Amino acid sequence: EVQLVESGGGLVQPGGSLRLSCAASGFTFSNYNMNWVRQSPGEGLEWVSNIRSSSSGIYYADSVKGRFTISRDDAKNSLYLQMDSLRVEDTAVYYCTREPLGGWAFEIWGQGTMVTVSS
Amino acid sequence: QSVLTQPPSVSAAPGQKVTISCSGSRSNIGNNHVSWYQQLPGTAPKLLMFENSERPSGIPDRFSGSNSGTSATLAITGLQTGDEADYYCATWDGSLTSWVFGGGTRLTVL
Repeated sequence: EVQLVESGGGLVQPGGSLRLSCAASGFTFSNYNMNWVRQSPGEGLEWVSNIRSSSSGIYYADSVKGRFTISRDDAKNSLYLQMDSLRVEDTAVYYCTREPLGGWAFEIWGQGTMVTVSS
Repeated sequence: QSVLTQPPSVSAAPGQKVTISCSGSRSNIGNNHVSWYQQLPGTAPKLLMFENSERPSGIPDRFSGSNSGTSATLAITGLQTGDEADYYCATWDGSLTSWVFGGGTRLTVL
């Protein structure tokens, strides 16, 4: 079964850091482009970051550029999001998503992990 | 303010048809495929449509997608109460070099 499982969320103070992880299973992780998408409470979906297969390309939303770093470890079938200088407005559920091969969409979603930035 | 514009809400009676629009520009919908997502209350979003009008396996043919110029449309026929959810469109924006989402549309089946 194709599955994405996020972890690492929690409560952090403004200015703090947090590292999210996404464990992938059921498919050849290294072949796929991966993304992080977030959703603030009661709000819509917001794309955060994208990393191409083989880390051949990396993109960030302007709202997180310079503060967040996406990475992947294909040997561990894992995706990461290092979040530094966190702000209250970064409070959201963070979803790990997989694109289809050769396609443009968020095909597979994890269950999400909640990040709360508050003093 | 989302780059893609969707109506905040739509409603229709069971069995009826509803359409949800997604309006963008040449740099996003005008040059890239649109995908649609259904988010049931308290759950993660689910892919409903990709490449404008392709349904993933398991998605019933009551759901269809179309694309014209800088706008895309999701149509749902034979509405069921279980279709009540938030629906989002998304595409890649070549000028922004980022994925962009619509603000979401809440569907109410009266």
